[in-house]
Amino acid sequence: DAGVTQSPTHLIKTRGQQVTLRCSPKSGHDTVSWYQQALGQGPQFIFQYYEEEERQRGNFPDRFSGHQYPNYSSELNVNALLLGDSALYLCASRLRATNEKLFFGSGTQLSVL
Amino acid sequence: GEDVEQSLFLSVREGDSSVINCTYTDSSSTYLYWYKQEPGAGLQLLTYIFSNMDMKQDQRLTVLLNKKDKHLSLRIADTQTGDSAIYFCAESGYNKLIFGAGTRLAVHP
Repeated sequence: DAGVTQSPTHLIKTRGQQVTLRCSPKSGHDTVSWYQQALGQGPQFIFQYYEEEERQRGNFPDRFSGHQYPNYSSELNVNALLLGDSALYLCASRLRATNEKLFFGSGTQLSVL
Repeated sequence: GEDVEQSLFLSVREGDSSVINCTYTDSSSTYLYWYKQEPGAGLQLLTYIFSNMDMKQDQRLTVLLNKKDKHLSLRIADTQTGDSAIYFCAESGYNKLIFGAGTRLAVHP
């Protein structure tokens, strides 16, 4: 049983470019959340998706957007990249109708030059 | 407001106990969590405690919760070099987790 998988593991982009990160939730999970972890900080909540819609959003600009597909996999898109977007992006999944804990993927390390 | 605070650094000798402390602000949090992060890796859930509990023990790990003071601690008994990592405390907000900045645990011989 695969856990939460994310791709790619590392990515280098330049300022102004756009990036798409991908996440497959743990088998049986229907809810996906994305977190940004800047160097030396704790993860910060970006947004959560279930039933293919964004349900809750943290304090991130509209440059950050996402999508959830019918198979529950999800994408995080960031437009007009800034140097400050360099971070580890973590995906987490759970089964919404339960109190089950979040499972995290290993993350995508994004470097913006 | 939402805020989780932790001390940034802890150094212990191998074989000693480590105690990592955390304070949180949301008294309505249902669960409180401890995650471990090793260099270049994602987050590994170590343990969690339900908000109506005072203590939870899981092998070498003991979690203590003081709801009155909104204080959470993680004790690692017989600390080993493999325990060297960053430890994050997190409280469960509405549909999300709120993390502290992490405590870097260094274990020396």
